[in-house]
Amino acid sequence: GDSVTQMEGPVTLSEEAFLTINCTYTATGYPSLFWYVQYPGEGLQLLLKATKADDKGSNKGFEATYRKETTSFHLEKGSVQVSDSAVYFCALSPRPQGGSEKLVFGKGMKLTVNP
Amino acid sequence: EAEVAQSPRYKITEKSQAVAFWCDPISGHATLYWYRQILGQGPELLVQFQDESVVDDSQLPKDRFSAERLKGVDSTLKIQPAELGDSAMYLCASSPSTYMNEQFFGPGTRLTVL
Repeated sequence: GDSVTQMEGPVTLSEEAFLTINCTYTATGYPSLFWYVQYPGEGLQLLLKATKADDKGSNKGFEATYRKETTSFHLEKGSVQVSDSAVYFCALSPRPQGGSEKLVFGKGMKLTVNP
Repeated sequence: EAEVAQSPRYKITEKSQAVAFWCDPISGHATLYWYRQILGQGPELLVQFQDESVVDDSQLPKDRFSAERLKGVDSTLKIQPAELGDSAMYLCASSPSTYMNEQFFGPGTRLTVL
């Protein structure tokens, strides 16, 4: 079945460090790919998305490129801030089958950024 | 800014008791999802509604879980009887019905079963 594998952490970085969170997926066909972020005490928020191969999603300084050849969607940010401390989830949405548009999530990675 | 509302935020119950969670999606969102997130794991879909109809409940443990969305607006998820393994965060999300649209998540209900 469809699945997502991502770095699990936890990871601690210093402010202004470079961030990469690896994410690979297994899916039939051509899924849409997402990164969600969960700040402490809050619900999940969409960070960025890509819907087809070679698309690059970007938001708040974060970027991820949909790589079909390596089935990957790695998240990167050039300079993290303390406010980026959160749990990051990689997710995919399979092509709809019978109208279902569910999200399949990875296990999440907790990031802590120290000043 | 419109948000998905959930209540209660926290629930502690004893095993074999019944519990219920409520979700009010963003106004106008036809699709509603319930996910379960076990500590240290990513969310997993329990049930998806399109308006008042169930689209996908293949992962819903139907012997003890039930979900309804009677008027196609708010929704209730019930567990009866609760078991120790049901301790988790229960997340509600909603989206417009168009494929690939963003899902908007509520803050969740954290359930602890003693």
